[in-house]
Amino acid sequence: KAGVTQTPRYLIKTRGQQVTLSCSPISGHRSVSWYQQTPGQGLQFLFEYFSETQRNKGNFPGRFSGRQFSNSRSEMNVSTLELGDSALYLCASSPKGEDTQYFGPGTRLTVL
Amino acid sequence: GQNIDQPTEMTATEGAIVQINCTYQTSGFNGLFWYQQHAGEAPTFLSYNVLDGLEEKGRFSSFLSRSKGYSYLLLKELQMKDSASYLCAVWSDSWGKFQFGAGTQVVVTP
Repeated sequence: KAGVTQTPRYLIKTRGQQVTLSCSPISGHRSVSWYQQTPGQGLQFLFEYFSETQRNKGNFPGRFSGRQFSNSRSEMNVSTLELGDSALYLCASSPKGEDTQYFGPGTRLTVL
Repeated sequence: GQNIDQPTEMTATEGAIVQINCTYQTSGFNGLFWYQQHAGEAPTFLSYNVLDGLEEKGRFSSFLSRSKGYSYLLLKELQMKDSASYLCAVWSDSWGKFQFGAGTQVVVTP
């Protein structure tokens, strides 16, 4: 089975812009979770989608949003980018959500 | 939420054994996971414990004590490629999501 894929792998944006990241889960996995990873904060949970519904959300401002499509692919959007949004954004998929998560390679976002 | 504590860094020599401890709050606990993450790469799944006891997978073993809110990952016969960050993660039913520890950086020296 193909693993979790994320596009793009690298992204450079300037403050105030918006960005959309994409994640394709492992075939058959219905849960997709998004995480932000920075050296100082570790892995921080953003949100989880299951069957096109957001089931849970972390403590991030409303500038961070996401969605999931009927084929389980997911996108996350960050609007009005800030310097502090520079991070590695990881998505992880699992069959049901509470079972083993498999991570994609991540999108490294740099905000200038 | 789930506070997960693990040491920041551990150093060991090639061929040695290292034990990484992880403690967590037990409320709603429903599974503990260990991941390995090399610098600049995504975390990869190592092990899963939901019942008390030891799970062995080759050079890696993971132990869980649910009553104590405690787990450890044991890395045997250390190799240079084992230098990485090791993340402890807990799934809580009452929280409905994973909580990750900050990770333990293992440095393997020749």
